[in-house]
Amino acid sequence: EAGVAQSPRYKIIEKRQSVAFWCNPISGHATLYWYQQILGQGPKLLIQFQNNGVVDDSQLPKDRFSAERLKGVDSTLKIQPAKLEDSAVYLCASSLGAGSIDPTGELFFGEGSRLTVL
Amino acid sequence: KNQVEQSPQSLIILEGKNCTLQCNYTVSPFSNLRWYKQDTGRGPVSLTIMTFSENTKSNGRYTATLDADTKQSSLHITASQLSDSASYICVVRSGGSYIPTFGRGTSLIVHP
Repeated sequence: EAGVAQSPRYKIIEKRQSVAFWCNPISGHATLYWYQQILGQGPKLLIQFQNNGVVDDSQLPKDRFSAERLKGVDSTLKIQPAKLEDSAVYLCASSLGAGSIDPTGELFFGEGSRLTVL
Repeated sequence: KNQVEQSPQSLIILEGKNCTLQCNYTVSPFSNLRWYKQDTGRGPVSLTIMTFSENTKSNGRYTATLDADTKQSSLHITASQLSDSASYICVVRSGGSYIPTFGRGTSLIVHP
């Protein structure tokens, strides 16, 4: 079974430039998450999708970050314009579903996209 | 506010030694607790899941415990190996919103 695919693995940009990350979840997984992980810290939830609807985006800096999940499958996370503090690994994860649909709620993570903002 | 606290923040041990990582949480209502292992440059991978009725569960050299009354969990690693060097993240899932709350992780380094 294919895992969660993310691209690019590495990206270096200058501040004020834009960047986009792509995620393809495990087939059949309804829930998709984007996490930001700063070096030495645990993952911080940016946005959670259930199919193509947003469940939680309370910690997404909406003035510069945007995310979409068209057709409830692939997802794209965009940052525009980037700031120095956006340097981090952006992890995409998927799970079977939410609530009683997926009682154990195991998250399956991609390898992550490492962003460096200069 | 749902929170997950892990200790220690980092730990260095010699190969072959045992160690215990701690996780305290305030997530309510409780659904389950998972320990994830995150190797450097990789995404986290689930090691074990603990539900309300489970006190102890083993997965090879990893043993997790859960005390639902005190809202504490531990992950014990026996006879550590170099490959155990990683970050170990405690994640608690809410029984209401089903949104997982992450701890900051414990960074474990195993020296030969």
